[in-house]
Amino acid sequence: KAGVTQTPRYLIKTRGQQVTLSCSPISGHRSVSWYQQTPGQGLQFLFEYFSETQRNKGNFPGRFSGRQFSNSRSEMNVSTLELGDSALYLCASSSSGLAGTTDTQYFGPGTRLTVL
Amino acid sequence: GQNIDQPTEMTATEGAIVQINCTYQTSGFNGLFWYQQHAGEAPTFLSYNVLDGLEEKGRFSSFLSRSKGYSYLLLKELQMKDSASYLCALEDSWGKLQFGAGTQVVVTP
Repeated sequence: KAGVTQTPRYLIKTRGQQVTLSCSPISGHRSVSWYQQTPGQGLQFLFEYFSETQRNKGNFPGRFSGRQFSNSRSEMNVSTLELGDSALYLCASSSSGLAGTTDTQYFGPGTRLTVL
Repeated sequence: GQNIDQPTEMTATEGAIVQINCTYQTSGFNGLFWYQQHAGEAPTFLSYNVLDGLEEKGRFSSFLSRSKGYSYLLLKELQMKDSASYLCALEDSWGKLQFGAGTQVVVTP
């Protein structure tokens, strides 16, 4: 089975621009979560989608948004980029995402975003 | 909150054993996960514990004590390729993972 894939792998943008990142989960996985990783803050949860619905959201400003399509692929968008948005953005997929059950999340390789 | 504490760095010799501790304060969680992350790469799943006790997977074992708010990851027969960051994470009832800052393990010859 193919793993989680993310595109693009690297991206350079300037302040004020917007960016869209894509994530394709493992086949059959319906839950997709997004995380931001920086040296200072570590891995932080952005949001999670299940069956095209945002089910959980972390403490990030509204500039960060996402969506999920019927094939479980997900995109996240960051508008009005700031220097502090430079980070590795990781998505992770899990199979059922059922509340109350433990489900292993498998991570994609990430998108390295640099904001100049 | 779920403050998750791990040591920042540990150094050990090839062939040795290293134990990475993770302590947390939380009222409830589904499971506790351990991930390995090499520099510049994505985290890869190592192990998880739902119930108290020891879970063994080859050279890696993980232990959980909910009453003590404590977990550890044990790495045996260390190899150079085990040099990486090891992340402890708690999963809430919705599947959201909250990560510790990670422990950088340096394996020396």
